[in-house]
Amino acid sequence: AAGVIQSPRHLIKEKRETATLKCYPIPRHDTVYWYQQGPGQDPQFLISFYEKMQSDKGSIPDRFSAQQFSDYHSELNMSSLELGDSALYFCASSSRGGIQYFGAGTRLSVL
Amino acid sequence: KNEVEQSPQNLTAQEGEFITINCSYSVGISALHWLQQHPGGGIVSLFMLSSGKKKHGRLIATINIQEKHSSLHITASHPRDSAVYICAAQYNTDKLIFGTGTRLQVFP
Repeated sequence: AAGVIQSPRHLIKEKRETATLKCYPIPRHDTVYWYQQGPGQDPQFLISFYEKMQSDKGSIPDRFSAQQFSDYHSELNMSSLELGDSALYFCASSSRGGIQYFGAGTRLSVL
Repeated sequence: KNEVEQSPQNLTAQEGEFITINCSYSVGISALHWLQQHPGGGIVSLFMLSSGKKKHGRLIATINIQEKHSSLHITASHPRDSAVYICAAQYNTDKLIFGTGTRLQVFP
C-alpha cells in the first residue's frame, strides 16, 4: 500500500540558505500536517492543510511558509535558515479527522 | 507543563514480560493516538482511539475518557518492540500534541 512520501530524506544547508521540503500524501487523503522534531525533543506541530486551505497553524516561524497543491502534495519552504532549524521534519496525512499516517521524515542539518 | 504526560520515561524489560505505558492528558480531546518511533526517526501509527479498547496483535490500547487516561500494553514483549512509544492527543483541529515519549528496551 502507498504510504506518505517525503523528499528529500536528508538535506544539508548553510545558515541563511533556503530549503524546500516536499510531502506526497496517501492517495485520497485530503489533509496534510507538518511537524518538527528537534534533537531529543517531542515533535511539535507546525501547520496543516485541508483541501488545499490552511486549517491550523502552530509554532511555525514567519521564515517558514507552506502550501498544499491541487494534487494534494504539500511543500514546506524555509528561508534564512538558522542553526536551530536543524531537525527532523515529519509530514503526516489523513482523511479528515482520521488516523494520521507519517512519512519517514526529512532530516535537515543547517551548518 | 506538557499537556500530554507519559510514564515511565524509560522502561527496560526482559523478553516475554508484559509491559504497560501510561498517558494522561489535561483537557478534552477528540482522539488519542499511540505512535512508535524507532531509532533513525520513522514514526508509525499504532492506534487511534476515542473510547474503550483496541487490540492489534500483541498490542492493546485502552482509554478512560472520564479520567483522561490511556494505556498501551504489550504482551509477550520481544526485543524488536524496543522503540520510543509516544502518546499524542488530537484536538478538534486535528493537530496532534505529543507526549514526551517512553523509551522501551526489551532484552533477550
